[in-house]
This record gives sequence, structure tokens and C-alpha cells, in this order.
Amino acid sequence: KQEVTQIPAALSVPEGENLVLNCSFTDSAIYNLQWFRQDPGKGLTSLLLIQSSQREQTSGRLNASLDKSSGRSTLYIAASQPGDSATYLCAFGGADGLTFGKGTHLIIQP
Amino acid sequence: GAVVSQHPSWVICKSGTSVKIECRSLDFQATTMFWYRQFPKQSLMLMATSNEGSKATYEQGVEKDKFLINHASLTLSTLTVTSAHPEDSSFYICSARDGTSGSGEQFFGPGTRLTVL
Repeated sequence: KQEVTQIPAALSVPEGENLVLNCSFTDSAIYNLQWFRQDPGKGLTSLLLIQSSQREQTSGRLNASLDKSSGRSTLYIAASQPGDSATYLCAFGGADGLTFGKGTHLIIQP
Repeated sequence: GAVVSQHPSWVICKSGTSVKIECRSLDFQATTMFWYRQFPKQSLMLMATSNEGSKATYEQGVEKDKFLINHASLTLSTLTVTSAHPEDSSFYICSARDGTSGSGEQFFGPGTRLTVL
């Protein structure tokens, strides 16, 4: 059974710092990997989608990478802002749909 | 971009009643829709996968007779929680996959918060 692990579980940093959130998965048969943002009590906002044939995707201050051989993905957030505070979820996309990690709860201190 | 809506956004009901949640893809045809459940401070857990016109496939541990899923059209799937009990209180989120897109990307609805008294 696919397992998705996110490290750290929680992170609190002053604004302006560059951050790296980590995601690891156990199954190499990956179709794609998605990163989402979830605000408290809200649904999911899709941030980045990396296809299995890709190594990375960028959107604004966000950059996500995928290393299938090591079973890892990282989400890089540049110049963090208080508005970035949320829970960040990575999801492994396989033949059976998405498997989510438990998320990284991020707090950016003003 | 692809938009998925859910209705209602929240519902409070008495124990023993049934609740129906709708999931709609507004600007694309969703050949496959997914239903997830999220308990407080937990991640999303896939409940079932439904393909238009066929029976849903349920994940292990999810009672198909309790969580009825209907995917009668390419833009609508419904989840009915039958005889709801307090332990069914949760955040239910649907997603839809565009059948014409090769990306496999799922687009998520805003979720429905169910509270069973």
C-alpha cells in the first residue's frame, strides 16, 4: 500500500525566509504528484502538478521538484509571507487515484 | 480553469437521518469523480471512486450501503450518507478528473462539513 510521508509536520518561521517542505513516497509507479494548500476549515487549492515525466514545476514563488528514483518531492517557497500560512499537502497520483500525506502545518510570523 | 462545486457547504442533521451531498464539475466533463473524507487534524482519505454510468469502487473499510454514491452524468456525482451517526461527522471533499485531459489532474470541490447531532 502506498504511503506518503511529509516532513516536517509543523513549521513556524519569520516572514522572508525561504522554506523547503519534504514529501516522500514508497511506490515508484507514479503518474503524477500534486501539492495542495489547505486553509483551516476550507477545501484544497492546487498549487503545482508534476507529471511523472517531469522533474520540476514552478509557479511564482513556488517550485516543486520530483525525484522518482529516491521517491521524494520537495516544495520550495521563496521569500515567505504571512499569507503563506496554511497546511501544505502532497498527494501521490497513482493508478488508484491520489494518496495524501498528513501535511505540513506552516506558520509564517509577521 | 476547471471548477468543481459542492452543495451544501455545511449541514447539521439529527442522528438517523440521511444527507445527500452533490458534486458538480462546472466547465468540464468528469468521467471519474472521487470522494474523500477528512477528520479533524487528519489528512484526506479516499472513500470511493466513481465512473460515470457505473458502480462506485469503495476503499477498504468504507461501507457501500452507508455511503451511497451515484454518478449519473458527466457533471454530477452525489454522496448520500444514510442513517447518519455522530461518528460520521467529518469534512467530505469531492474531486473530478477531466476525461479529455491526459494530465490525470484532479480538481477539488470546496468541501462539505457534516455535523451529526
